[in-house]
Amino acid sequence: RKEVEQDPGPFNVPEGATVAFNCTYSNSASQSFFWYRQDCRKEPKLLMSVYSSGNEDGRFTAQLNRASQYISLLIRDSKLSDSATYLCVVNEETSYDKVIFGPGTSLSVIP
Amino acid sequence: DTGVSQDPRHKITKRGQNVTFRCDPISEHNRLYWYRQTLGQGPEFLTYFQNEAQLEKSRLLSDRFSAERPKGSFSTLEIQRTEQGDSAMYLCASSHPSRSQETQYFGPGTRLLVL
Repeated sequence: RKEVEQDPGPFNVPEGATVAFNCTYSNSASQSFFWYRQDCRKEPKLLMSVYSSGNEDGRFTAQLNRASQYISLLIRDSKLSDSATYLCVVNEETSYDKVIFGPGTSLSVIP
Repeated sequence: DTGVSQDPRHKITKRGQNVTFRCDPISEHNRLYWYRQTLGQGPEFLTYFQNEAQLEKSRLLSDRFSAERPKGSFSTLEIQRTEQGDSAMYLCASSHPSRSQETQYFGPGTRLLVL
């Protein structure tokens, strides 16, 4: 089993749609969790951290379920500019920040 | 620009040649990471430095790969006797350990093509 798994995608959605991405991780000792966004041929950039209580940043909502080892990202009212690959990231916080990236889920928002 | 920088941005080389990439982290960040990313995959961890000490190396880092961070500032990643399978994007990231839930900030990457 891979350490971090994501929906395979790609997701093609119309503007204004709501889209949800799922992610599961295998190491129950993982400490912190993030969603990164990566545009085509660019570096990953932090989108948001994910907290146990859930957190929201504008149109983006992230949820964490430690018991199920599951992370989600919800994007409401999709914009064309949301088109990118979304990477689920798990930090196992060992002696160093052992950060494991998922393979990413590609999103295309269509006019 | 005070972000992470990498040089070169692109490198085309012939199989068997040696290549060296440079990463300049954000100045106050003492942690530096190298990753490799291939098409359709997330970044894969290669190695980690805290200041000048290389503290972790992935099994992905064969003996043809070597990384240094001699003064705890910039880092270099060298690949000797390149193979076509080394073609990938090589990403550098840095972070600061004192901030809670600290995140890694990535450079723009060096895209390597081995012919």
